[in-house]
Amino acid sequence: EIVMTQSPATLSVSLGERATLSCRATQSVSSNLAWYQQKPGQAPRLLISGASTRATDIPARFSGSGSGTEFTLTISSLQSEDFAVYYCQQYNDWPRSFGQGTKLEI
Amino acid sequence: QVQLQESGPGLVKPSETLSLTCTVSGSFISNYYWNWIRQPPGKGMEWIGNVFYSGVTNYNPSLTSRVTISVDTSKNQFSLKLTSVTAADTAVYYCARVPSYYYGFDYWGQGTLVTVSS
Repeated sequence: EIVMTQSPATLSVSLGERATLSCRATQSVSSNLAWYQQKPGQAPRLLISGASTRATDIPARFSGSGSGTEFTLTISSLQSEDFAVYYCQQYNDWPRSFGQGTKLEI
Repeated sequence: QVQLQESGPGLVKPSETLSLTCTVSGSFISNYYWNWIRQPPGKGMEWIGNVFYSGVTNYNPSLTSRVTISVDTSKNQFSLKLTSVTAADTAVYYCARVPSYYYGFDYWGQGTLVTVSS
């Protein structure tokens, strides 16, 4: 099983600042990586697929990069609605697996 | 607009079978992969398995001995059965769609909390 590790566990950032979240895989997942945002009491929302392609209606301030085993989600200018937990997920191999999440807090 | 809705008992006794159904609206079941994912309270997510509209399934090896996922194209539904449950199976269970083999989960249900307790 491919294990996904996210860092940091918690990231404290101010409104308007840039946030950089990391995700690492124990083996190459090529570009078969997605990022999700989850707010309390809600289902996750797909932000990025294919490591760098924004999903429908996702603002341009969200960007993804990386391939192989190292990936980054960048939020360029944090808005109040961006404070949430973010998960990466690989879909290169079975079983599909998620990182443990990064909590983005003010 | 694509919508997924989980339904089923919110409380299951230990050693019994957890059964959930996901009803899909705004999208045909055909040509997509349909998934179950769970999230224990306050924890991360675990992919349980999926079913293609043809009935082909993939399961997480950690659960494969206890899981069955099936699809009913006539009702636009798919279902999860998890046998011999314990307290460790207490979680919010989500159903979700994958539009192609190599893609993320693009639509999710709201999730349903299933508690395993006597």
